[in-house]
Amino acid sequence: DAKTTQPPSMDCAEGRAANLPCNHSTISGNEYVYWYRQIHSQGPQYIIHGLKNNETNEMASLIITEDRKSSTLILPHATLRDTAVYYCIVTRGGGADGLTFGKGTHLIIQP
Amino acid sequence: DVKVTQSSRYLVKRTGEKVFLECVQDMDHENMFWYRQDPGLGLRLIYFSYDVKMKEKGDIPEGYSVSREKKERFSLILESASTNQTSMYLCASRQTGLHQPQHFGDGTRLSIL
Repeated sequence: DAKTTQPPSMDCAEGRAANLPCNHSTISGNEYVYWYRQIHSQGPQYIIHGLKNNETNEMASLIITEDRKSSTLILPHATLRDTAVYYCIVTRGGGADGLTFGKGTHLIIQP
Repeated sequence: DVKVTQSSRYLVKRTGEKVFLECVQDMDHENMFWYRQDPGLGLRLIYFSYDVKMKEKGDIPEGYSVSREKKERFSLILESASTNQTSMYLCASRQTGLHQPQHFGDGTRLSIL
């Protein structure tokens, strides 16, 4: 699985869009980008995944650059409940053999 | 929605005890996983299972075993608990198929005294 790099922490004002970057410059052609988040005292929660096209669901949007070396998770209207650690994971099979979580980005939504 | 339920949120046991952590999922998923999470070390994979009666070692299996007798249930066993097994334990499940994500329970915070 390709290595990912994320900023350790970010702040965002409530109601604004939160844009979380992830660098994965060694990604290979058949690897997908997954995003999970972990709210304090809870288990990780799956958010979204994609290969090369932009993806959107009810929680977030995922923008992957054309060269696939980086991506951005967008929470369009952040709320206080979005305060969490966000993990970007690159893997081939969705985690059939387990997932490797890095340190992630601690996103703090400010009132 | 997928529901992964871990039997206890908090558990306190003594050194040397045999400890069972239970996990149940309600979505007929084939794959199930046990992780532990420690400050500064992140999530680490202990064991996983592709299907009933199957088990595979993860990155840190020492001191643990697992049981998967039914598809919906995956048990983690600490054969003789030690203080270095004090941790947050997380169970996850996923459907077989490329690119299917994992879904996690809320964890069991285990303290070994």
